Amino acid sequence: DAGVIQSPRHEVTEMGQEVTLRCKPISGHDYLFWYRQTMMRGLELLIYFNNNVPIDDSGMPEDRFSAKMPNASFSTLKIQPSEPRDSAVYFCASSLHSQPQHFGDGTRLSIL
Amino acid sequence: AQKITQTQPGMFVQEKEAVTLDCTYDTSDPSYGLFWYKQPSSGEMIFLIYQGSYDQQNATEGRYSLNFQKARKSANLVISASQLGDSAMYFCAMREGNYGGSQGNLIFGKGTKLSVKP
Repeated sequence: DAGVIQSPRHEVTEMGQEVTLRCKPISGHDYLFWYRQTMMRGLELLIYFNNNVPIDDSGMPEDRFSAKMPNASFSTLKIQPSEPRDSAVYFCASSLHSQPQHFGDGTRLSIL
Repeated sequence: AQKITQTQPGMFVQEKEAVTLDCTYDTSDPSYGLFWYKQPSSGEMIFLIYQGSYDQQNATEGRYSLNFQKARKSANLVISASQLGDSAMYFCAMREGNYGGSQGNLIFGKGTKLSVKP
């Protein structure tokens, strides 16, 4: 079975540029989560969806961050404009109902 | 106050020995779930084991077992017969909310770095 697929695996860009991270959840899963991992703050939830509807976006740092889930098999996390402090590993995870979340391999984002 | 506390930033264990990674949690919700994830140096997050707050028995998955002590609010991970490939960061996480209902998000601890010595 295919797991959660994230792209790109690595992204290096200059500050001010728009960054789009992509995620394909496991087929049939009804929950999708975006997490960010940094050395200082550890793993923190940014936003999660249930049946494509955003449920809790209280973890989104500021208006520069936005996330969408246009259908059950695709989600994006966008940062515009990007800043060096956004550098982190961004994980997407999905789950079926209350089952454990399965994570993608992450996107390592570096903003110069 | 931290919801998930992992007091061991780093641990060493000899290959083939057992090791216990500590995790304590704080919640007033009677329904919650506890999870352990492994993050090797390659960076992916791998689900290991789950314990529900109403589960009567401790969870086990192969060489992993969860020592769940509800009154003490602890959910320690026990790895038996350690292998070199077990060297990684280990994260304890909690989900609050209706058991089997609303998903809620995971709250993670800071992690414990386990190093297995040959």
